[in-house]
Amino acid sequence: DSGVTQTPKHLITATGQRVTLRCSPRSGDLSVYWYQQSLDQGLQFLIQYYNGEERAKGNILERFSAQQFPDLHSELNLSSLELGDSALYFCASSLEGGLGADTQYFGPGTRLTVL
Amino acid sequence: AQTVTQSQPEMSVQEAETVTLSCTYDTSESDYYLFWYKQPPSRQMILVIRQEAYKQQNATENRFSVNFQKAAKSFSLKISDSQLGDAAMYFCASKTDSWGKLQFGAGTQVVVTP
Repeated sequence: DSGVTQTPKHLITATGQRVTLRCSPRSGDLSVYWYQQSLDQGLQFLIQYYNGEERAKGNILERFSAQQFPDLHSELNLSSLELGDSALYFCASSLEGGLGADTQYFGPGTRLTVL
Repeated sequence: AQTVTQSQPEMSVQEAETVTLSCTYDTSESDYYLFWYKQPPSRQMILVIRQEAYKQQNATENRFSVNFQKAAKSFSLKISDSQLGDAAMYFCASKTDSWGKLQFGAGTQVVVTP
């Protein structure tokens, strides 16, 4: 158990819908990362938050947004869903989140299926 | 753009034998970190081993060790005395920017046969 929790584990929805994925980082970790794992794109970085502030953006679509709350949990919002958004979405947390020695610990992921 | 390349889609190894997974990376940074993550069928991402680029000594964690060749930008993982529980997808990853995001390779599926 990495100490990072993600809910829900599985999500099945229809095209055009909106969903919210939730992540609670390890106790004491200030930085949260979101990654997408799909068959065609592999594992890709989406977005990073540090202590409530957005730090870095990767290949995140405009239909996707995220935020980190004062209690440090984070939510990833996916809207106008398309079939191609079906993927495993990981949240990872680390103590500080910079180019340092701290390790990113991954949650169990949320499996999103868009029908 | 930074890239991480794993050229072996699948590797097969017998129990108790040794297998080596290849990884090459591309970066112009002098300070960076390299990782191997394991993803078993449960899909959980588990850190196997970490290497700091400024350290010349290769990292080891029990049966797992790396061969870090900085000039060649190569970072291979050796699994010794392979066990059935080692069967998983293994991802090589680099951390090269100040925000700390990970760049992953495509992965290598390790199959362990009795």
